[in-house]
Amino acid sequence: DQQVKQNSPSLSVQEGRISILNCDYTNSMFDYFLWYKKYPAEGPTFLISISSIKDKNEDGRFTVFLNKSAKHLSLHIVPSQPGDSAVYFCAASPLNSNSGYALNFGKGTSLLVTP
Amino acid sequence: KAGVTQTPRYLIKTRGQQVTLSCSPISGHRSVSWYQQTPGQGLQFLFEYFSETQRNKGNFPGRFSGRQFSNSRSEMNVSTLELGDSALYLCASSGGGGSSYEQYFGPGTRLTVT
Repeated sequence: DQQVKQNSPSLSVQEGRISILNCDYTNSMFDYFLWYKKYPAEGPTFLISISSIKDKNEDGRFTVFLNKSAKHLSLHIVPSQPGDSAVYFCAASPLNSNSGYALNFGKGTSLLVTP
Repeated sequence: KAGVTQTPRYLIKTRGQQVTLSCSPISGHRSVSWYQQTPGQGLQFLFEYFSETQRNKGNFPGRFSGRQFSNSRSEMNVSTLELGDSALYLCASSGGGGSSYEQYFGPGTRLTVT
C-alpha cells in the first residue's frame, strides 16, 4: 500500500509565480520527510528535508511545511524558474537509524514552469 | 567528492536470465540502498546495506538479492528475470555526515527484459 501519496501527477506554473507541491502520508511512525527533484535520465537529487519536531524549513527559494496532525507536507518554490521543471518526489522515513534507512516515496509530481 | 556511480547504465536481458548491477557509494558513506523505479509504482525500496550487512528489506521476492563489500561498494542481483523487472534501478548512499536520512542517488541502471 502507498504510505506516501502525491495526488497531483502534474502541475504547471508561470515563471516567477509560486509552485506548491503537496504530499500526504498515512504512517504515523514517519518522523523525517524529504523532497527530491528528478530530471530525466538522472537519479533523484536531494532538495530539502524536515523532521517532525519542526513545522517549517527554508532553504533559499525552497520551503517545506509540515502539518503533522494532518499528516501533510508541502513544498513551496518561490519564485519558480524554468529550470525547476522536473519531477518532484516526496519521501518519508521513521526516525530510527537502528532499523536502517528505507525511504518511502510518493509517485511524484511533474512540475512545468513556463516562461 | 565524486558522487554515487552505477554500472552499467543500460542493460538488455532476456527473460529467465540473471543480472548483476553494481554501485559505488560516495566516499565515506557506509549505507547503500537500492530502489526500483517503474512508471506505475514509482520508487520502491528494495534493501539497504550497512557495514556489509543487510539492515532493511522491502517487499520484493527472493529473486532480488544484494551484498555489500568491505569498501562499501554494493551489488544487487536479480535471478530468473521476468518482463516486469524492466525498470530503472537506483542506488543511494548515506552516512557521510550531517543527516544520514538524506540519501544521495546515482544515475541508475536502466534494465530492459525482453
